[in-house]
Amino acid sequence: EVQLVQSGAEVKKPGESLKISCKGSGYSFTSYWIGWVRQMPGKGLEWMGIIYPGDSDARYSPSFQGQVTISADKSISTAYLLWSSLKASDTAIYYCARGKLGFDYWGQGTLVTVSS
Amino acid sequence: QTVVTQEPSFSVSPGGTVTLTCGLSSGSVSTSYYPSWYQQTPGQAPRTLIYSTNTRSSGVPDRFSGSILGNKAALTITGAQADDESDYYCVLYMGSGISVFGTGTKVTVL
Repeated sequence: EVQLVQSGAEVKKPGESLKISCKGSGYSFTSYWIGWVRQMPGKGLEWMGIIYPGDSDARYSPSFQGQVTISADKSISTAYLLWSSLKASDTAIYYCARGKLGFDYWGQGTLVTVSS
Repeated sequence: QTVVTQEPSFSVSPGGTVTLTCGLSSGSVSTSYYPSWYQQTPGQAPRTLIYSTNTRSSGVPDRFSGSILGNKAALTITGAQADDESDYYCVLYMGSGISVFGTGTKVTVL
C-alpha cells in the first residue's frame, strides 16, 4: 500500500528555521516525483514545487522560488520542505503528494504555525 | 504568472449533473496540460479524482468523469450525492516540471 506520512504540527517564531518531512512507503521512492502544496487558512491549494528523489532534481513555482527549499534523502525515502527564516505568512497546512503530471497519493498534511 | 480559473461555486440537486470547468487566463486548455482534478472536504487532505484529463484514480466512482470541453478542462459529476459536497480543484501542467492549481470551486448539493 502506497503511503506518504508527514511529520507533526510545528509552532515556530518569525525568523526561525524549519524542516518538515514526508516519508514514502509501499513503492519505489526514487522512481516518482514528490510535490509540496500549501493551503493557507481558509484558502485554496497552491502548487509549490516538486522533487525527483532519484537524482534530487527540484522544480519550483515562481511564487515559491527562493522562499523554500525542497530536498530528499533517498536512503530513508523521505522528502523535505525547508525554510531558513519563517514569516507569519508561512502559517498554513502543507501537504506532500506523489506525482509530476498530477498527484495520485497524498500525505495527511502538516500544520505550521508561525507566531511571535 | 498564468492564472487557472474555475467557477467560484456551483449548486446541484441530489441526483443531478454538474460540470465544473478549468480554464486559462490566456489560451486554451488541451490534453497537453494533463489536467487533473481533486476533491477536498473541510479538515481533510485532498483526494485525487481524475488525472491525465480523463483517467479516474483508483476507487473513484464512475459518476466522476473528466474531459476537454471547448477550450477548458471539465469535471462532470453525474448523479450527485450528498457527500459530493466539497471543494474541487484542478491542476494544469505548464511544462518544465511546473504545475498550477486552479482557484477552486465550492459545490453544494441541495
